[in-house]
Formats: sequence, C-alpha cells, structure tokens
Amino acid sequence: AQTVTQSQPEMSVQEAETVTLSCTYDTSENNYYLFWYKQPPSRQMILVIRQEAYKQQNATENRFSVNFQKAAKSFSLKISDSQLGDTAMYFCAFMKHGGSQGNLIFGKGTKLSVKP
Amino acid sequence: EADIYQTPRYLVIGTGKKITLECSQTMGHDKMYWYQQDPGMELHLIHYSYGVNSTEKGDLSSESTVSRIRTEHFPLTLESARPSHTSQYLCASSDTSRGGGEQYFGPGTRLTVT
Repeated sequence: AQTVTQSQPEMSVQEAETVTLSCTYDTSENNYYLFWYKQPPSRQMILVIRQEAYKQQNATENRFSVNFQKAAKSFSLKISDSQLGDTAMYFCAFMKHGGSQGNLIFGKGTKLSVKP
Repeated sequence: EADIYQTPRYLVIGTGKKITLECSQTMGHDKMYWYQQDPGMELHLIHYSYGVNSTEKGDLSSESTVSRIRTEHFPLTLESARPSHTSQYLCASSDTSRGGGEQYFGPGTRLTVT
C-alpha cells in the first residue's frame, strides 16, 4: 500500500521569503502522479502543482516549484516570494497512473503561515 | 474556482436525525468522491463513484451511504446522525478521460451533531 508522509505539521515564513515543504512517499509502483494541494482557511481545496513520475524535469507553476527525487521518494514544494495569500494547509498527494484512475492518497498536511 | 457545489455549507443537527449532504458538479466529470476531514487534519476517502449507478466504499469506514443516479449529482446520506459524525465533508470530482488525475473540490459541508 502507498503512504504519504509530511513531517512538518506547521511552518511559518516571512512575506517575500522562500519556504520549502517536505513530502516523502512509499510505493512499489513505477508510474504515478504526485500533487500538492492548497486549502486556504474556509476556502476550497485547489491544485497547486502536479508531477508525473516518468518526467525527470521538476514541475514549475509561477512561484511554486517542486524538487522531485524519484529514487529517494521525495517530493518537496518550494514557494518563492511568499505572499499573505499563500497562508493555507498544504497537502501532498499520490495517485497511481493508468487503469481506471486510482484514488488520491493524502499526507496529513502542513499548515503554512505567511507573516507580514 | 471549479464548478462543484455543496449544500448546505454548515449544518447543526440533533442526534438521530436523517441528513443528506448535496454535491453537484457542472463539468461533466465521470468520477466523484466524498472525503471526511476533521479541522486542520488529513482527508479520508469514504466513498467514490466511477459513474451513474456505480458506488464504492473508500479507505475509511463510514456509516453514510451514497447514490449516483445522475452524472452531475452525488449525495451523501446519514440515516441516523451521531456526535461522532461531526466533521467536515468534502466532495470532489475528476475527468478520468483526461488523465493527469486532478480532482476538483467543493467548498465542503461542516456538520455538527449535537
């Protein structure tokens, strides 16, 4: 069975600085997706960034980038130039690739606070 | 934001009552999901559906039931609410034909059973 571990329950960062959230996972699958989802206070969960395991290049979405280390089963999220609106719970998630589309397996989340 | 809706957003109800949490999406997605989430905690999958007349139980055992009579609608029902059902319930959907696995989430229903 797959597991996803986020070892940082809470983090804080000053506005405009850079922060990295950690995520490790365990799987015997070779093809899969990894995701970071953001859940702002009292707002909908949204996808921040997605990585396909067969792609060696790290995914980037504006200020958000990942460091995907497949051999180490590590998938960290870097937020550059942090903004107050980045304050949220961040969830790392895993999904098997192919077939009838597997279900997401979530980590326990990291609560990020961006301070002015 | 995604076109997926949940009603009610907040519900306070007494023990023993029957409740139905509504979830609708207008994106034509085939797969839908229900998650249970305690505040600030991880999400647990309780039900999912691949399409009309398809429902499956998720990883977390739940006393709730679901139905999928229409593609866009995936209600969750608790026949007899108990305080242990107090939680947030999130609905989500995805288009399995597109690959990529992205799920779109509704705003959630925060349920309190007294």
